[in-house]
Amino acid sequence: QLVLTQSPSASASLGASVRLTCTLSSGHSNYAVAWHQQQPGKGPRYLMKLNTDGSHTKGDGIPDRFSGSSSGAERYLTISSLQSEDEADYYCQTWGTGMVFGGGTKLTVL
Amino acid sequence: QVQLVQSGAEVKKPGSSVTVSCKASGGTFSSYALTWVRQAPGQGLEWMGGIIPIFGIPNYAQKFQGRVTITADESTSTTYMELSSLRSEDTAVYYCATGYHEQDLDYWGQGTLVTVSS
Repeated sequence: QLVLTQSPSASASLGASVRLTCTLSSGHSNYAVAWHQQQPGKGPRYLMKLNTDGSHTKGDGIPDRFSGSSSGAERYLTISSLQSEDEADYYCQTWGTGMVFGGGTKLTVL
Repeated sequence: QVQLVQSGAEVKKPGSSVTVSCKASGGTFSSYALTWVRQAPGQGLEWMGGIIPIFGIPNYAQKFQGRVTITADESTSTTYMELSSLRSEDTAVYYCATGYHEQDLDYWGQGTLVTVSS
């Protein structure tokens, strides 16, 4: 069964970098993943699609501070030079027989 | 750039149905995939299903089979999601989203709050 696993929470200081992880279930390590950001009280926003080789395609207007990478079954979202507006929930998403979401990671900017 | 504008908030009684609309602009409606996702209060995102208007055949999550109907009107670039036999657990914000392929959610609507309460 295709499952995406995310840590429920993460935190990092203003101006620092943070790497969020999304882990694909066993047997699904070749799946692409997309990342979405949801700021408090707002709807989700597409950040990027991350391929197995680490290449990624960003959404409109997504700053260079957001980048993605891959290693095996793990897909990463790295946010550098953290700003207060980066405090949000981050969801990874993929597609098998249907669409699958990770449980989301709540990022706190200290 | 694609924009999706959804209909307004709804309050419904248990056992009734709700229809949420999502009007697209700025893209080629027929060839995009339109997807519906919901988010219960304090919870994560949940896929409900989607449709590619040019093909017209919806694809539903197993959880909602028999209760959800997704349609698309190419003449108005609008997609509709009807959920029937509503229960309190269906209280959620419902989002439409679109992308070039059915696995893509490149653009999101603003969300529609549906409250199910007696």
